[in-house]
Amino acid sequence: AQKITQTQPGMFVQEKEAVTLDCTYDTSDPSYGLFWYKQPSSGEMIFLIYQGSYDQQNATEGRYSLNFQKARKSANLVISASQLGDSAMYFCAMRVYSGAGSYQLTFGKGTKLSVIP
Amino acid sequence: EPEVTQTPSHQVTQMGQEVILRCVPISNHLYFYWYRQILGQKVEFLVSFYNNEISEKSEIFDDQFSVERPDGSNFTLKIRSTKLEDSAMYFCASSARPTRDRGRSEQYFGPGTRLTVT
Repeated sequence: AQKITQTQPGMFVQEKEAVTLDCTYDTSDPSYGLFWYKQPSSGEMIFLIYQGSYDQQNATEGRYSLNFQKARKSANLVISASQLGDSAMYFCAMRVYSGAGSYQLTFGKGTKLSVIP
Repeated sequence: EPEVTQTPSHQVTQMGQEVILRCVPISNHLYFYWYRQILGQKVEFLVSFYNNEISEKSEIFDDQFSVERPDGSNFTLKIRSTKLEDSAMYFCASSARPTRDRGRSEQYFGPGTRLTVT
């Protein structure tokens, strides 16, 4: 079974500073994908960044980067130059490829990020 | 940019009533999903749908739930007899076929339907 662990229920960061949100995962499948989603108070799920298990380099998307350490099974999200609009819940998720035609995501419990002006 | 849409945005229903939640996935996507999120909790997988049939479902997806793709664009989730514990945000998602390369293969989520069962 797949499992995602986010150990930080809440985090605070000063505006313009960088912040790292932790995520560890557990799977026995060698092929998987890791995702981060942002959920503002309005409720929608916004895709941020994706890392494939075979990717040699860490993923980056603008101010978001993923610190992928495969041996440690961690996929931490780094947000640089935090903005007030970054205040939201952040979910780490994993998708495992299967032959059954299903690619569902397993989510962690989330980290609530609050950016302080 | 193409997006997943869901209707209604908020549904209030009485316990025991049937509800149908509607989704329009992105047009060239092949995989469709329903997830739910009980208030303050994590997002949970309900069911995936591919090639006009359920490909996988979780233990949450019991006989009270069903999914359908009645035409080429809509994807629906039906709850036959709602219970108080069905109150949650329900997200529809769709994706193209994931690949092993570095290409984008994320699931695009709709804005959600907040279901309140009274």
